[in-house]
Amino acid sequence: EDQVTQSPEALRLQEGESSSLNCSYTVSGLRGLFWYRQDPGKGPEFLFTLYSAGEEKEKERLKATLTKKESFLHITAPKPEDSATYLCAVRDYNNNDMRFGAGTRLTVKP
Amino acid sequence: KAGVTQTPRYLIKTRGQQVTLSCSPISGHRSVSWYQQTPGQGLQFLFEYFSETQRNKGNFPGRFSGRQFSNSRSEMNVSTLELGDSALYLCASSKTGTGIGNTIYFGEGSWLTVV
Repeated sequence: EDQVTQSPEALRLQEGESSSLNCSYTVSGLRGLFWYRQDPGKGPEFLFTLYSAGEEKEKERLKATLTKKESFLHITAPKPEDSATYLCAVRDYNNNDMRFGAGTRLTVKP
Repeated sequence: KAGVTQTPRYLIKTRGQQVTLSCSPISGHRSVSWYQQTPGQGLQFLFEYFSETQRNKGNFPGRFSGRQFSNSRSEMNVSTLELGDSALYLCASSKTGTGIGNTIYFGEGSWLTVV
């Protein structure tokens, strides 16, 4: 069965303090790995899609990377407005539905 | 370009009642999927519709149902509501729902409280 595990559950950073969020996954055949950002009371906002090991994508202070077993979301010099829950999801070739991790709740203090 | 629109945003229902939630996908998107989000279980897949047909279904009881119309708009229905059905219900749309890395885009969700 597909498994998606995100760590840490919660992360508190000072403004400017770079860090990484982890997403470990188990699928029979990866059709895509997705990162979303979710603010309280709102729907998830799409950030990145990664298709194959070695792929990297960047957007402002965020950079997502992918290996055969995990993905990292690197946050460089974060700002308070980066505070949110970051969700990782995978789509498997065998099951077309998206399987989400529990998320990492990021808080960036000024 | 308008995003995914969900109505209503907030609603309160009594145990035993039924509820219908509506979703309008992004223009040109033909796949609509529904998710339930709770603090304890996270985001869980309910079902997906494409061209008015249910293409995939998650592990939820038959009280949860949905449908899609010819204009790709979708509705989901929950009958005989239980307290545990209180959650944020999210609708997401994508162009086809399949294919390598097909990205889904979410609406703001409908907050359902069952009392």
